[in-house]
Amino acid sequence: QKEVEQNSGPLSVPEGAIASLNCTYSDRGSQSFFWYRQYSGKSPELIMFIYSNGDKEDGRFTAQLNKASQYVSLLIRDSQPSDSATYLCAVNRARGSGNTPLVFGKGTRLSVIA
Amino acid sequence: GAGVSQSPSNKVTEKGKDVELRCDPISGHTALYWYRQSLGQGLEFLIYFQGNSAPDKSGLPSDRFSAERTGGSVSTLTIQRTQQEDSAVYLCASSLEWTGGVAFFGQGTRLTVV
Repeated sequence: QKEVEQNSGPLSVPEGAIASLNCTYSDRGSQSFFWYRQYSGKSPELIMFIYSNGDKEDGRFTAQLNKASQYVSLLIRDSQPSDSATYLCAVNRARGSGNTPLVFGKGTRLSVIA
Repeated sequence: GAGVSQSPSNKVTEKGKDVELRCDPISGHTALYWYRQSLGQGLEFLIYFQGNSAPDKSGLPSDRFSAERTGGSVSTLTIQRTQQEDSAVYLCASSLEWTGGVAFFGQGTRLTVV
């Protein structure tokens, strides 16, 4: 079982819809969870991080974490064509002390259709 | 500097040659990561430096790969006797220790082995 698993997609949604991106992880010791966005030919950039169970909202983005189910998701409301990118889920065991490396999923490609 | 800086941006080398890739992290960031990303693939962890701790080298694919970090700042990734399968984008990221993974990426070095 891979440490961090994501559906590779592509996930296609119409402009204005909600895009839902999912990620599961295998290590129950994982404490910190991150969503990165990567445009084609560019480096990953951080969108959100979440440490506690529940929802965390930032503008059009909501991260959801369920540690019991080892599941983290990213919702993008009012999707725009500019949101079209690959979304990478990342986890690590550390919280408050960066003593383990980030482990990334392979990413989900999102396409927002105008 | 303002962001993570990597050099060179592009490197074309002949099979069997050695290459050095440089990463200059954000000032004050104690954690530094090297990842590799092949075309259309996810981020493959290579090595992780955290402060004065021994680096986590568990991701290095072979003994042809090595990395060092001098003075807790600049890092160099060295690939000896390059092979065609080493062709990829090599990404460096840095973070503050206490954030547990809020990492900022450089623009990457695209390595092509011919």
